Amino acid sequence: DAKTTQPPSMDCAEGRAANLPCNHSTISGNEYVYWYRQIHSQGPQYIIHGLKNNETNEMASLIITEDRKSSTLILPHATLRDTAVYYCIVPEYGNKLVFGAGTILRVKS
Amino acid sequence: DSGVTQTPKHLITATGQRVTLRCSPRSGDLSVYWYQQSLDQGLQFLIQYYNGEERAKGNILERFSAQQFPDLHSELNLSSLELGDSALYFCASSVEGRLAGGDTQYFGPGTRLTVL
Repeated sequence: DAKTTQPPSMDCAEGRAANLPCNHSTISGNEYVYWYRQIHSQGPQYIIHGLKNNETNEMASLIITEDRKSSTLILPHATLRDTAVYYCIVPEYGNKLVFGAGTILRVKS
Repeated sequence: DSGVTQTPKHLITATGQRVTLRCSPRSGDLSVYWYQQSLDQGLQFLIQYYNGEERAKGNILERFSAQQFPDLHSELNLSSLELGDSALYFCASSVEGRLAGGDTQYFGPGTRLTVL
C-alpha cells in the first residue's frame, strides 16, 4: 500500500505556478520523498526528491514541512506539456517505488 | 531521454506464447528494476537486480522470470502468456539500488505487450 495521500486531480492555468500537495504522515526520519510524473503512457519521469530540506532543480521545487509529514511539489510556470499524472512516493523497504493513483494535473490555456 | 533503453517498443503475441523483453540501464547504473502497468492495476513493482544478483521481489508471477547479465543489461521473460498479461512493462535503473540513500530510479520508455 502506498504511504502517501494525494488529491486525485488539480487544474492549473498555463503560466501560473502549480502546487501539488502530498501527505506522508507515517514517514520515518530517514526516508526520502520522491516525485515522478507520467505523461500519457510514457515511462515515469523523475522530477525531484528530498529528505528534510527544500530542494530545487531545473524542473521543480520541493517544499517539505518541518515535521516531514507533508510536502508540496511546485512547478513554477506550468505549461501545457506539464499535463500529466504526478506521483509522490516514499519508497518501501528502501528499494521499492510503490505508485499510488497520483494526482492528475491538467494545465489549461 | 533517461538513458535507459528498452526493446522492443511493441510486442503482439498469442496466448500461451513466451516473450523476452530487454532493458539496458544507464551507463554506470548497477541496479535494474522491472515494473508492470496494466489498465486496472497501475504501476506494480515486479523485481530488482543489483550487479547480477536478485535483490528484491514484488508481485511477480511464477510464469515470469528475469535476469541481469554481466554487462548489466536485463531481460524479463514472460511465458504461458494470458490475456491479462497485456500491459506496459517498464524497466528502471539506478546507481546503487538503494533508494533509502537517496538513490534515483530512471525509467525507460517501456514495452507495450499485447496478448491476443
